[in-house]
Amino acid sequence: ILNVEQSPQSLHVQEGDSTNFTCSFPSSNFYALHWYRWETAKSPEALFVMTLNGDEKKKGRISATLNTKEGYSYLYIKGSQPEDSATYLCAFSGGGSYIPTFGRGTSLIVHP
Amino acid sequence: DAGVTQSPTHLIKTRGQQVTLRCSPKSGHDTVSWYQQALGQGPQFIFQYYEEEERQRGNFPDRFSGHQFPNYSSELNVNALLLGDSALYLCASSPGTRLAKNIQYFGAGTRLSVL
Repeated sequence: ILNVEQSPQSLHVQEGDSTNFTCSFPSSNFYALHWYRWETAKSPEALFVMTLNGDEKKKGRISATLNTKEGYSYLYIKGSQPEDSATYLCAFSGGGSYIPTFGRGTSLIVHP
Repeated sequence: DAGVTQSPTHLIKTRGQQVTLRCSPKSGHDTVSWYQQALGQGPQFIFQYYEEEERQRGNFPDRFSGHQFPNYSSELNVNALLLGDSALYLCASSPGTRLAKNIQYFGAGTRLSVL
């Protein structure tokens, strides 16, 4: 069983704050890491697919970095807005399996 | 362009019954994967269908089975329901079977409650 951990479990920030959270995964036999944003009552939406050590991806105010050698990825949100409130999930593929293993997610709430 | 649609949105069953959940993939996608999300957990991969065949399977018992139709839509069947099968069931579609590299597009899920 692959261990994919996300921290923190939940986060409350004020509008305009910048924030970041972590996805930790096994550092051997890495294939890919996916980040998703999941708003309440909606579908999970893919943010990034990261495949190479040192990858940095950006989409608007959201960016992500990847360190496959130490087994972690950071997701950053600059100048958080209330519409950023969602659960952010990461999914790791590796360790000999292409099947993605999801973390439990980080729940972000941005207060106006 | 309709995204991934799932039906029904909610379902209540009793232990021992059987249930069928349905999924229509995003236009242009030929691969459907199913996930179970239990309360407080991340989504867990059940299986993937491509060309009307099960291609990959996660660690789920044979009570969980599926089907894919020629139009790429898919069904998830669960027999002999247990209380522990209560969960949100998510369907995801993608253009091809490469789970690691392909972006998956998810539906909003079916919430199954087993009483």
